[in-house]
Amino acid sequence: GAGVSQSPRYKVAKRGQDVALRCDPISGHVSLFWYQQALGQGPEFLTYFQNEAQLDKSGLPSDRFFAERPEGSVSTLKIQRTQQEDSAVYLCASSPRESALSNQPQHFGDGTRLSIL
Amino acid sequence: AQKVTQAQTEISVVEKEDVTLDCVYETRDTTYYLFWYKQPPSGELVFLIRRNSFDEQNEISGRYSWNFQKSTSSFNFTITASQVVDSAVYFCALGFREFYFGSGTKLNVKP
Repeated sequence: GAGVSQSPRYKVAKRGQDVALRCDPISGHVSLFWYQQALGQGPEFLTYFQNEAQLDKSGLPSDRFFAERPEGSVSTLKIQRTQQEDSAVYLCASSPRESALSNQPQHFGDGTRLSIL
Repeated sequence: AQKVTQAQTEISVVEKEDVTLDCVYETRDTTYYLFWYKQPPSGELVFLIRRNSFDEQNEISGRYSWNFQKSTSSFNFTITASQVVDSAVYFCALGFREFYFGSGTKLNVKP
């Protein structure tokens, strides 16, 4: 497709379960970002990939969060032993080239709304 | 540290009114980028504008205009003759490799 695609659109899980969220970036985009957006807040950075390399994971809130992009295209964000505070919208974004400074607009997907019961 | 402040949580206007959304940022870097994004109810963040720290020229695009003032660390966004379709949450962001977003301003345009 033309845009960033995320699946599932909605995910409901019980506390303690593991979840996996998928992101298909725009074809050819080198950079991929994950953000977490709590209700009523702006997105907060989680992690960044340049191709398959995870160059920054400083925003991941705990070691229960894990992200990968093994072939430099599709990325998966995994959350283990989910907690209620993990409930949020998880946004994926991509941009066309690597950059130490983000002068390119990031293209965002519609997000995955995660609800932990 | 990088920080973006959008002090207006929610604004309501009547259609055809002009409205300005405020954005104030903090950074110690001399080179940076500023962005505005629109988030309609569908949830997708839609890119509106990018401005680099060396370009203080204001920009107008149709009914949208942006006022970048480095001296006050502000990057305000004005919608002229607002329309109902402008109703959304608007985010200002400070861009480095990753983005630092403000908390957003919800704009309600009533017919």
